[in-house]
Order: sequence, then C-alpha cells, then structure tokens
Amino acid sequence: NAGVTQTPKFQVLKTGQSMTLQCAQDMNHNSMYWYRQDPGMGLRLIYYSASEGTTDKGEVPNGYNVSRLNKREFSLRLESAAPSQTSVYFCASTTTGTGWSYEQYFGPGTRLTVT
Amino acid sequence: GEDVEQSLFLSVREGDSSVINCTYTDSSSTYLYWYKQEPGAGLQLLTYIFSNMDMKQDQRLTVLLNKKDKHLSLRIADTQTGDSAIYFCAISGGSNQGGKLIFGQGTELSVKP
Repeated sequence: NAGVTQTPKFQVLKTGQSMTLQCAQDMNHNSMYWYRQDPGMGLRLIYYSASEGTTDKGEVPNGYNVSRLNKREFSLRLESAAPSQTSVYFCASTTTGTGWSYEQYFGPGTRLTVT
Repeated sequence: GEDVEQSLFLSVREGDSSVINCTYTDSSSTYLYWYKQEPGAGLQLLTYIFSNMDMKQDQRLTVLLNKKDKHLSLRIADTQTGDSAIYFCAISGGSNQGGKLIFGQGTELSVKP
C-alpha cells in the first residue's frame, strides 16, 4: 500500500496563476481532507469530503476549490494564486462512520511558493 | 470556535524526560491526539486518548488528560536525539463531526546530546 500520495512535491507559481494539487489514497477510506500548514499556526482545515460526491468547507476555504473525483482521489485547486497561499499543503484520509479508525493518515505534503 | 494552544519550543538534554503541554477550549472533544512531524515529512500519529480516560501509557510515551482544566500533556521518557521533531496536539469531535481535526500550533522539540 502506498497510503496517501500527493503530487507535486514542490511548486513555484507566480501571482495569478492557477494549479491543482492532487491527492490519492489506496486504503479505501471514505473521508478525505486538505490542510495547510504555516509556521506558528499548526495545520488548518481547508476543505474536507466525508464521502464520494460531498465536500464541505473547513476553517480557511477562501481562494480554494476542491473536487472529490472518486473514492480514491481528492484534488485542491487554486484558481488565482496569491502570495498568502504560500504554504505546505497536506492531504489526509480516514474512515468515518462504521469502522472509524480514529486515525487520519497524512500524505508527505506539497510545498507551494507563490511569488 | 474551538481553539488548541501549545508552546512553540522545548529544549531538553538527551536522556531527560520531555513534557509537551496543550490546552483546548472545546469540552465536547471526544478524541485527543498527539502527532509527530519530522523535518520535511508528513504527520505521523503517535498516540491518542479518549475523553473518558485520564492517562494512557505506551512504551516511552505517557499521555495525561485533565478534563476539568482542558489540559493534555505528552511525556517522553529517556528522550533521544531521534525524538527531535514538531509535536502537534489535535482534538476531534469524532466520526459524527466528519472526523475533522483541530490542531495546535505545534511544539518544536530540540534534543541536545
């Protein structure tokens, strides 16, 4: 099992450019999450998807969109990148509902710099 | 909204015990977690405790929960240089709340030989 994978690992964008961060999990989890990590602020939830076909806003959703493509994949899109979106982005997944394992499994992260 | 607070830095000598503290505001939190992040890596679950427990021990790790004061701590016995990392406290209302986690700022543990 690869667990949670994220692509790309690093990205540099200019202000106003767009890009999509990809996330996939092979653990048959129903719930997936996108967080951003900033120094001194911990991880903050951007969006999550409790099941295929549903998405909900988290704490800091402005400037982002998400797509739950299927049970395995959950992408995060920046339509017009801003320097304030410079961060490390983590995808995570877990099973909620029956069989909840209590643990969220994290990907290795995508380091994004917006200049 | 819910808030989780941690001090940002802790420095200890190799072989000493480390204690990382966390306070939270949401008394309905059902599950409380400690995650570890090594440089350049994702987060790895170290341990978790249910809100109806006071203590959990797992090898060198001891988690203490004081629900009255909404205080969670992680004690690492015989701290090693390999324990140097960022440690995150996180809380969750459980599966019924989508399994979402609310994180503290993270405590950077530096272990000096």
